[in-house]
Amino acid sequence: NAGVTQTPKFRVLKTGQSMTLLCAQDMNHEYMYWYRQDPGMGLRLIHYSVGEGTTAKGEVPDGYNVSRLKKQNFLLGLESAAPSQTSVYFCASSYLNSGNYGYTFGSGTRLTVV
Amino acid sequence: AQSVTQLGSHVSVSEGALVLLRCNYSSSVPPYLFWYVQYPNQGLQLLLKYTTGATLVKGINGFEAEFKKSETSFHLTKPSAHMSDAAEYFCAVSSTGANSKLTFGKGITLSVRP
Repeated sequence: NAGVTQTPKFRVLKTGQSMTLLCAQDMNHEYMYWYRQDPGMGLRLIHYSVGEGTTAKGEVPDGYNVSRLKKQNFLLGLESAAPSQTSVYFCASSYLNSGNYGYTFGSGTRLTVV
Repeated sequence: AQSVTQLGSHVSVSEGALVLLRCNYSSSVPPYLFWYVQYPNQGLQLLLKYTTGATLVKGINGFEAEFKKSETSFHLTKPSAHMSDAAEYFCAVSSTGANSKLTFGKGITLSVRP
């Protein structure tokens, strides 16, 4: 009964390096989301997907790319990391319309860019 | 467009005291409303949600919230705080339309004093 699994849990990057964060869900959810959480800012939506093969921009998409090649996986990529991308990243998923069901969250990835 | 306002960033109560965390929303359509809790170094967990029907909603761990349309509010309460309630609490709003997404407030940190 894993729910939403994020890997890795922690990562330190140097400025300019690239990395991919993986989100996997085993609930057959259609919708998946990537958020970043910063102190005093709440959760801000980076990108989201309404189904396999689809992606869309959220509130703060610059500097990030995503892919949803398989329904259960949603990848978040940083091509050239910047210190401003130091944050805690959360993946979430939902079954169809989020209004009825809410989201299931992963436990987060803490990323530090130095 | 929809938005959530959580006034203040920190609330401190004594163990056994009433917990009241305020949330006001703005939505152009009838909203779905949620409260999530985040314990240290964990992801967000759903506390309770309002979709339709009874305006007083009961959630896990003794929390409840009341939807007041006239006041555009969805305040979270618990009659008697426990030390284990110390966490960050997020209010969120979603529209009832297709492909709707949750919009989160900035969160409130609840501290419980012995």
